[in-house]
Amino acid sequence: AQSVSQHNHHVILSEAASLELGCNYSYGGTVNLFWYVQYPGQHLQLLLKYFSGDPLVKGIKGFEAEFIKSKFSFNLRKPSVQWSDTAEYFCAVTRARGSTLGRLYFGRGTQLTVWP
Amino acid sequence: DVKVTQSSRYLVKRTGEKVFLECVQDMDHENMFWYRQDPGLGLRLIYFSYDVKMKEKGDIPEGYSVSREKKERFSLILESASTNQTSMYLCASRLRAGSYNSPLHFGNGTRLTVT
Repeated sequence: AQSVSQHNHHVILSEAASLELGCNYSYGGTVNLFWYVQYPGQHLQLLLKYFSGDPLVKGIKGFEAEFIKSKFSFNLRKPSVQWSDTAEYFCAVTRARGSTLGRLYFGRGTQLTVWP
Repeated sequence: DVKVTQSSRYLVKRTGEKVFLECVQDMDHENMFWYRQDPGLGLRLIYFSYDVKMKEKGDIPEGYSVSREKKERFSLILESASTNQTSMYLCASRLRAGSYNSPLHFGNGTRLTVT
């Protein structure tokens, strides 16, 4: 079965620190990859996605993620975090083809807390 | 902007009650999903629907059923609520089947407490 691993459950940073959140998935075929963010009290929203082309994708609010196929990874990065980045971040994967018809598999989430 | 509306933000029900959670989307999306979100467990798929009157079990369908009589509405039913179904329930929609790279659009969630 498809699985998505997020290595960090809770990350605490000071403002201006750099961020990297790890995400690994288990499926060996072609995948589409997503990062979603949930700010306190708000609904989940898309941060960025990868489905083909340049493995370095840029999202909203200065976030980027790099797809490394050989490592089955899709790590999220931001060079300088802000207090407003405090949120829970979810990595998600779907198969680009196959019998699961686009089911999205989510990781367990990483809570990011940024101190001002 | 796509709007996914869940009828209740907070709900408190008693053990054994039949519970209906409603979700409506306004963008003619074909695919709709129900997840539950629990701390440390992330999002787990309960049921999904690729189109009207279609439904598929997700990873944790036990104790739940769904109904999709109209394209815009996807209902989650707890046949007999139990305390272990206390959770945050998230509805999501997506444009169409096969749109694997299209993102999900989420509602604000319904926090259900079963006492």
